[in-house]
Amino acid sequence: AQSVTQPDIHITVSEGASLELRCNYSYGATPYLFWYVQSPGQGLQLLLKYFSGDTLVQGIKGFEAEFKRSQSSFNLRKPSVHWSDAAEYFCAVRTSNTGKLIFGQGTTLQVKP
Amino acid sequence: DVKVTQSSRYLVKRTGEKVFLECVQDMDHENMFWYRQDPGLGLRLIYFSYDVKMKEKGDIPEGYSVSREKKERFSLILESASTNQTSMYLCASSPGQVAGNTIYFGEGSWLTVV
Repeated sequence: AQSVTQPDIHITVSEGASLELRCNYSYGATPYLFWYVQSPGQGLQLLLKYFSGDTLVQGIKGFEAEFKRSQSSFNLRKPSVHWSDAAEYFCAVRTSNTGKLIFGQGTTLQVKP
Repeated sequence: DVKVTQSSRYLVKRTGEKVFLECVQDMDHENMFWYRQDPGLGLRLIYFSYDVKMKEKGDIPEGYSVSREKKERFSLILESASTNQTSMYLCASSPGQVAGNTIYFGEGSWLTVV
């Protein structure tokens, strides 16, 4: 069965520091991978997605993610975090045969001044 | 911009009540979804629909039903609400059946069952 694991439930970084949020997936074929962000009390906003081509994907708000098939990973990165990046981040995989989006448990990012 | 609108943001209902959560999208999307979000569990799929009058069970359909009479509207129904259904419910939609298509989310409905 397809699954997504985000090993870090909570991460705290200082403003201006770099960020990496981890995501591992389990799926037999080439997955369609997504990162979403959720601000408190809000719905989910798409940051970026990967479904083919270049394995380094650029998204909105200065985020990027790298697809590594050998490690079954799709980690999210940002070189310099801003206080407004504090939110919950979800990695998700969508399978081609069902179209369902399967989410990880989420990682809450706290940004210290 | 794609707009997914959940008409009720905050609801408080009593145990045993029938609850309707309404979702409307304005982009003529074929696919619509209902998710439930709980701390530490992420988002779990309740039901989804690929077309009008068509529905499929997700991962946690027990205690829920859905209705899709029109393409733009997808309703989630709790036939007899229970306290363990207190949660945040998110509606989403996407075009076609291409897996690379983006899924767009509404702002969520907070349901408290007392």
